[in-house]
Amino acid sequence: GQQLNQSPQSMFIQEGEDVSMNCTSSSIFNTWLWYKQDPGEGPVLLIALYKAGELTSNGRLTAQFGITRKDSFLNISASIPSDVGIYFCAGQLGGGSNYKLTFGKGTLLTVNP
Amino acid sequence: DTGVSQDPRHKITKRGQNVTFRCDPISEHNRLYWYRQTLGQGPEFLTYFQNEAQLEKSRLLSDRFSAERPKGSFSTLEIQRTEQGDSAMYLCASSFKPGQGMYEQFFGPGTRLTVL
Repeated sequence: GQQLNQSPQSMFIQEGEDVSMNCTSSSIFNTWLWYKQDPGEGPVLLIALYKAGELTSNGRLTAQFGITRKDSFLNISASIPSDVGIYFCAGQLGGGSNYKLTFGKGTLLTVNP
Repeated sequence: DTGVSQDPRHKITKRGQNVTFRCDPISEHNRLYWYRQTLGQGPEFLTYFQNEAQLEKSRLLSDRFSAERPKGSFSTLEIQRTEQGDSAMYLCASSFKPGQGMYEQFFGPGTRLTVL
C-alpha cells in the first residue's frame, strides 16, 4: 500500500542537540499526525495538525503542516535520552469515510548521553 | 479516560490455526481501526468501524481475516488458517468522541502474532 516518504531513516545525535525530520507525499492530506513508538509498544500521539501552514508545539516538539498539504516537519529541541525511539508521520485525508491513516516508514532516533 | 487496550499482548501459534484478538477502545469513541505493522515498516490500515458498521476494508484484509464490532464497543479480529506471513504486530486505534470534533487516532499497545 501507499506509504509516505519519511527522512532521514535514522539519526544518531548527542544529548542536547536539536533534531529535524520530515515527511513528504505525492498526494494531499488534510490532517498530519506525528507519533513516537517504543519497541514492542503501540504508537503514541505527539502532535496533530489540521490546517495548511499550521505550526504547533508540544513542549520541546514543534511540527508544521506544509503549505502544499503534501509535507510535514517535526523538530525536537534540546534532545534527551528518553527521546530515543521511532518517529512516524501519518496523513489522513478525512471526510466521508476517509479516516484511515497512511504512515511513513519511520525515523529511528538514537540519543547519546 | 483509560486508553485503548488489546488482548492478548503476545500470541504464538502454529501455521493453520485460527487466532482471535480483542480491542477495547477509549470509552465513547465511536470509530475503531485495525492496522498491521511488520518489522521496519509503519502501520498499514486493515479495516475501520464507525459504531458497529464496518465502513472500509483494505485489500490487505484477505478472506481469512474477519473483524467485528457487534455492539459498537469492543472489536475482535480473527485470522483463520494462519500463515507465516501473518506474523506481525496488530494494532488497534480509536477516535472521535461525538461533540468534540477531534479526529486524532489513539493506539493500543498491540498484539504481537508469531506464526510458526
